[in-house]
Amino acid sequence: DAKTTQPPSMDCAEGRAANLPCNHSTISGNEYVYWYRQIHSQGPQYIIHGLKNNETNEMASLIITEDRKSSTLILPHATLRDTAVYYCIVRPYGNKLVFGAGTILRVKS
Amino acid sequence: DGGITQSPKYLFRKEGQNVTLSCEQNLNHDAMYWYRQDPGQGLRLIYYSQIVNDFQKGDIAEGYSVSREKKESFPLTVTSAQKNPTAFYLCASVSSEGYGYTFGSGTRLTVV
Repeated sequence: DAKTTQPPSMDCAEGRAANLPCNHSTISGNEYVYWYRQIHSQGPQYIIHGLKNNETNEMASLIITEDRKSSTLILPHATLRDTAVYYCIVRPYGNKLVFGAGTILRVKS
Repeated sequence: DGGITQSPKYLFRKEGQNVTLSCEQNLNHDAMYWYRQDPGQGLRLIYYSQIVNDFQKGDIAEGYSVSREKKESFPLTVTSAQKNPTAFYLCASVSSEGYGYTFGSGTRLTVV
């Protein structure tokens, strides 16, 4: 599976958009980009995934660059409850999830 | 509601004792996974099972054992051979479509 690089931490003001970057320069054509988040002492929660096209659901938007070497998870209106560790994971369909260190997002009032 | 249940939430054991962590799902998912998380770290894969009666070692399987006798259940045994068993243990499952994993709420094991 391709390696991902994320900043260790980010801050965001409550009500503003949170943009979390992820680099995956060695991604293969059959690998999907997945995002999960983990609120303290809970199990990770699936957010969104994509292959080539940008995706949006009720939680977030995923923007994947045309060369697929990087992506951005966007939380359009961050709230205090969005404070969590966000994991960007790249893997082929059906493969097991491998977690890195993720990005600690702190939403501040 | 469908989901994954891990029990107990907190578990204390004496050093040298085996302990079994429960993981049950009613999502009709085929694949199930066990992860370990240490403070401030990401998740590391212990064991996984893609079908009943079959399972594979993950990255840190030493000192652990599993069984998959039923589709709904994937218990993890932490044996006395595990050198540092104190950790947060997470169970997950995924459907045959393989997109979004569903995680349980975890079991925090403390060995004293």
